Amino acid sequence: DVQLQESGPGLVKPSQSLSLTCTVTGYSITSDYAWNWIRQFPGNKLEWMGYISYSGSTSYNPSLKSRISITRDTSKNQFFLQLNSVTTEDTATYYCARKGSSLYYAMDYWGQGTSVTVSS
Amino acid sequence: DIVLTQSPATLSVTPGDRVSLSCRASQSISNYLHWYQQKSHESPRLLIKYASQSISGIPSRFSGSGSGTDFTLSINSVETEDFGMYFCQQSNSWPFTFGSGTKLEIK
Repeated sequence: DVQLQESGPGLVKPSQSLSLTCTVTGYSITSDYAWNWIRQFPGNKLEWMGYISYSGSTSYNPSLKSRISITRDTSKNQFFLQLNSVTTEDTATYYCARKGSSLYYAMDYWGQGTSVTVSS
Repeated sequence: DIVLTQSPATLSVTPGDRVSLSCRASQSISNYLHWYQQKSHESPRLLIKYASQSISGIPSRFSGSGSGTDFTLSINSVETEDFGMYFCQQSNSWPFTFGSGTKLEIK
């Protein structure tokens, strides 16, 4: 079965970079699908951040475009989120999720999420 | 960006009730609307895709309807395990957006 697992530091200082890893088991990230990052703010609002496709192309939410980068390590079947110049407003639970590679697909597998707090 | 408005924000129900949750889009999104359930301290789980298509492993009491701008998630005979948050999400255009959610709670 497909499983996704987020990992990374739970505390980041303002102005620094947030870096998270999503490790995928049960499916190769180079076979198909788009591999997404989504975050959920305190109060439950969900925001799609971006994805890296099986081919390595990326798409980002324009609201984050200047600060976000999604990359991958195909040898480890992992993909990564880097968010630069974080502020307290980036405090959230971060999820990785799988979506069909076409635009219209839903997100069918999600990781358990990792909580990140931005604070000095 | 496409705005999804969910109503009501909170719905208090008794087990056995039939409930309907609404999601309205700020512009037409055809049927590119998906529903997720999120229980406390868990990640979202896909319930319905493309407005009305069922998902393997999801109980048949969950159903979806609608197209264009107005969508409904129905739960036929709510069970205690159904309480939690419900979100809609559109995949008609980038950036993908989510509704603010409906909290289903026990009356």
